[in-house]
Amino acid sequence: DAMVIQNPRYQVTQFGKPVTLSCSQTLNHNVMYWYQQKSSQAPKLLFHYYDKDFNNEADTPDNFQSRRPNTSFCFLDIRSPGLGDAAMYLCATSRVGTYTDTQYFGPGTRLTVL
Amino acid sequence: KQEVTQIPAALSVPEGENLVLNCSFTDSAIYNLQWFRQDPGKGLTSLLLIQSSQREQTSGRLNASLDKSSGRSTLYIAASQPGDSATYLCAVGAGGSNYKLTFGKGTLLTVNP
Repeated sequence: DAMVIQNPRYQVTQFGKPVTLSCSQTLNHNVMYWYQQKSSQAPKLLFHYYDKDFNNEADTPDNFQSRRPNTSFCFLDIRSPGLGDAAMYLCATSRVGTYTDTQYFGPGTRLTVL
Repeated sequence: KQEVTQIPAALSVPEGENLVLNCSFTDSAIYNLQWFRQDPGKGLTSLLLIQSSQREQTSGRLNASLDKSSGRSTLYIAASQPGDSATYLCAVGAGGSNYKLTFGKGTLLTVNP
């Protein structure tokens, strides 16, 4: 009964080789988030979707893009991964993205850049 | 800019001990505060959510308090168990129409049998 699913769980890519991470949800939530978490660091919000509306954080590098083709799926594209992009990428969802809503997290995708 | 600090960064206790984890934030204009648990290499699991108008929330052996005016929250764990070993993260929610969470780095808790 997994609610937020991320694939793959582990991804290895080469420096500069584009990579796509996938997130799907069975909760039918309106909001989907992507966070980057480096070792022993706080999760950092990259961007989020409210339905089809995309909201980019001001300090998210242009190298990171996202797509949400439908309610259930959201993708994180890293166009030219650098060594500094190695991290755990966490997808989360919430019902309507307000202060009453808990965010539900997936298990994460650990990205290694060689 | 909101900053969230968690102290201590790591804590090791014997099984059965009661313990307190601390979280502080710099901007008191928040909507809520959440405590999450993260097991090694895994995602986050929400433990407790406290609205800004509330003072505390309880779930089983966990009790979280919020003092918005002083910018502090505590997570109290009673009768700790080895299964409680994990990283505990505090996150504050703010931003109005652009509501989002700002996380602390977490406290790594080890409960020794």
